[in-house]
Amino acid sequence: DTGVSQDPRHKITKRGQNVTFRCDPISEHNRLYWYRQTLGQGPEFLTYFQNEAQLEKSRLLSDRFSAERPKGSFSTLEIQRTEQGDSAMYLCASSLANPTFTEAFFGQGTRLTVV
Amino acid sequence: QQQVKQSPQSLIVQKGGIPIINCAYENTAFDYFPWYQQFPGKGPALLIAIRPDVSEKKEGRFTISFNKSAKQFSLHIMDSQPGDSATYFCAASKDDKIIFGKGTRLHILP
Repeated sequence: DTGVSQDPRHKITKRGQNVTFRCDPISEHNRLYWYRQTLGQGPEFLTYFQNEAQLEKSRLLSDRFSAERPKGSFSTLEIQRTEQGDSAMYLCASSLANPTFTEAFFGQGTRLTVV
Repeated sequence: QQQVKQSPQSLIVQKGGIPIINCAYENTAFDYFPWYQQFPGKGPALLIAIRPDVSEKKEGRFTISFNKSAKQFSLHIMDSQPGDSATYFCAASKDDKIIFGKGTRLHILP
């Protein structure tokens, strides 16, 4: 499978717990993006990486959220002390941006439910 | 502030009809305008995209019309089929960051 892979597909957690999601991009892609999508809304940009460098973070990404891409390959998104408002679909996408922007491919997402 | 405004929120069209979804943007620095299709439980998938130096792009049954002076663009789906029923998102990109509209839920009646 050469697409963007996200794990887990679904996560149910109790309020206050920490959760971590993983994204494996398409292997040759140097850009990796995290988006959040709530029901009936479009995906909202959270952050993105070029290789291992985190280039931009949205103000939506509170201090409880942290993302890493340590070796420029897979990425993790951690949410600490989850709140009910964190319930959403978390989408990862990757693209090849060298030198011009190309198509971003999305994974199937991780659906987070905070109870 | 919503950077990409999309309408309508939902749309019902008879099979064979031509649904039209409209989007408007404010930031003239946007340089790439993709449309994504999303089925329930799936991530968005790129359908068709256009750059602002082109006024129209057609791929199969899907056409983007782009009006740079009005800062508007639209998606037309020719000969629509029930399998086209999905949520469609317009988007705009600047510095490789994609900003999405809120989406249009399209239902094609058989």
